[in-house]
Amino acid sequence: AQKVTQAQTEISVVEKEDVTLDCVYETRDTTYYLFWYKQPPSGELVFLIRRNSFDEQNEISGRYSWNFQKSTSSFNFTITASQVVDSAVYFCALTHAHQAGTALIFGKGTTLSVSS
Amino acid sequence: SAVISQKPSRDICQRGTSLTIQCQVDSQVTMMFWYRQQPGQSLTLIATANQGSEATYESGFVIDKFPISRPNLTFSTLTVSNMSPEDSSIYLCSVTTGANYGYTFGSGTRLTVV
Repeated sequence: AQKVTQAQTEISVVEKEDVTLDCVYETRDTTYYLFWYKQPPSGELVFLIRRNSFDEQNEISGRYSWNFQKSTSSFNFTITASQVVDSAVYFCALTHAHQAGTALIFGKGTTLSVSS
Repeated sequence: SAVISQKPSRDICQRGTSLTIQCQVDSQVTMMFWYRQQPGQSLTLIATANQGSEATYESGFVIDKFPISRPNLTFSTLTVSNMSPEDSSIYLCSVTTGANYGYTFGSGTRLTVV
């Protein structure tokens, strides 16, 4: 069975602090995909990143970076120099690498609050 | 990537009634999924809808309560039947043509049952 664990329920930081959101996953598949989504107060889901299980390279996109480590089944997300606009719920998700696509399994989410 | 039009965006319904939520996709997609997001919670998969076959429901969700239609490769509906206040949630549809191509989510239907 697949499972995604986001142990941090809520995190509060002050602007310009760096913050890391943890994601640990469980799967028996050798090929799978991991995702991060942002859900701001408006409610829509904003796609941040997709990573397949064969690509362990870390990725940086502006203030965002992701650390994928298969050895520890983790896919952590770091925001550098956080801003108030980063306040949102962040979800980590996992799916099989089925050709036609299977549903995403979401973690419980981490609520990030950035104060000025 | 696909674009989804989900309707209605929100509704307030009386208990005991039913609401049908529609998702229209601007391209043909194989897989469509319906999720529920209860207040302050994560997204929980209700069912997977393939065109031309019965939807596959997750544990805890039944067809009588959440009937789904998938008449073609661009459209699906989810009905929330005999509603109670516990059904107050955001309902989202999602599509993919394969994990490597990503997933698209509708903007959600915010349902309040009174």
